[in-house]
Amino acid sequence: GAGVSQSPSNKVTEKGKDVELRCDPISGHTALYWYRQSLGQGLEFLIYFQGNSAPDKSGLPSDRFSAERTGGSVSTLTIQRTQQEDSAVYLCASSSPSGGGELFFGEGSRLTVL
Amino acid sequence: QKEVEQNSGPLSVPEGAIASLNCTYSDRVSQSFFWYRQYSGKSPELIMSIYSNGDKEDGRFTAQLNKASQYVSLLIRDSQPSDSATYLCAVEGRSSYKLIFGSGTRLLVRP
Repeated sequence: GAGVSQSPSNKVTEKGKDVELRCDPISGHTALYWYRQSLGQGLEFLIYFQGNSAPDKSGLPSDRFSAERTGGSVSTLTIQRTQQEDSAVYLCASSSPSGGGELFFGEGSRLTVL
Repeated sequence: QKEVEQNSGPLSVPEGAIASLNCTYSDRVSQSFFWYRQYSGKSPELIMSIYSNGDKEDGRFTAQLNKASQYVSLLIRDSQPSDSATYLCAVEGRSSYKLIFGSGTRLLVRP
């Protein structure tokens, strides 16, 4: 597809389980972002990739969160030992090398931790 | 103080009116400013960007920037019910790649 693709669209898990969220950016977009949006809130920056490297991991809430990007394309956000406060919509976005602040967002992965 | 602040609303305007959405930011070095629109249950989409003081017009939308006052606004003329959404202000942080988002203003346009 032409847009940013995220999977799964919905994930319900039990507290303490690990989850993986996947993002496939727009082809040719070198920058990739993960944001988190809790109900009724704005977007919370998590991590930024330029190519395969992550120069800014400052937004990751705890060491239970990690992300990687391979081949300058697909990215995976992993949350270990999930907690109820991790429940949110996780949004992935990508931008072109000349894109500035124009981010193209995927439809998000809604995570519910019971 | 939050880095980017917006009134959460809802801002309710009648169809055909001008909707005025406001945003303030804390970091004086910010150079790039964006408005994203987010429909309920959907992801954000960029509608306007502005980099220089003054006004920038695009169709029914006008973005206004005042760096001295650290203030950016979005005007929507001839508001339509289809404009009902949450409008997110985003500011480029000290790291030029990082967009910092406000919590958004919910706009309701009454038919």
